[in-house]
Amino acid sequence: EDKVVQSPLSLVVHEGDTVTLNCSYEVTNFRSLLWYKQEKKAPTFLFMLTSSGIEKKSGRLSSILDKKELFSILNITATQTGDSAIYLCAPANAGGTSYGKLTFGQGTILTVHP
Amino acid sequence: DADVTQTPRNRITKTGKRIMLECSQTKGHDRMYWYRQDPGLGLRLIYYSFDVKDINKGEISDGYSVSRQAQAKFSLSLESAIPNQTALYFCATSDKTGVGANVLTFGAGSRLTVL
Repeated sequence: EDKVVQSPLSLVVHEGDTVTLNCSYEVTNFRSLLWYKQEKKAPTFLFMLTSSGIEKKSGRLSSILDKKELFSILNITATQTGDSAIYLCAPANAGGTSYGKLTFGQGTILTVHP
Repeated sequence: DADVTQTPRNRITKTGKRIMLECSQTKGHDRMYWYRQDPGLGLRLIYYSFDVKDINKGEISDGYSVSRQAQAKFSLSLESAIPNQTALYFCATSDKTGVGANVLTFGAGSRLTVL
């Protein structure tokens, strides 16, 4: 059975702090790992990682994957109140019939205070 | 207009009632999904459809049924709602193959409360 564990489950910081969110996984036939940000409504796509050690960046957010140790981290530097959200990681299996059938972690609730 | 539209956005119903949640999309994607979100449990897959004639059960399909009326429409039904089906329901779509096939586009969610 596929397993995804995110930590911490919740985190409260102040604006300007740097945070690191963790995602460890055990999935059969791993293909890629995706990060989503969920504010009030729908989860929105942040990153997809398929190769170990290659950092993906988007502004203040960055993410890296370790396929040997089976984990990924999401870093947010200089946090802002708009970063407050639930961050979800989801490893994906390979194979045509597995596409889109993501296994989501529980999520990390990030709260950024002014 | 949103790429993936869900209706209703909020619904309160009673145990035993039949409920339908509807989803329509303008992405032109073949693949559509229904996920359920509960606090502390992340999102769990209920049903998915790879095209109009292909519907499959997900991780937690018991108590639910679906209908893919057209490429753009995918509805979820609760034949006889029970309180533990109280949750936030998301419809999502994705491309058929390739890198984009795992990048889901979600609707805004339908919050269902079963009393």
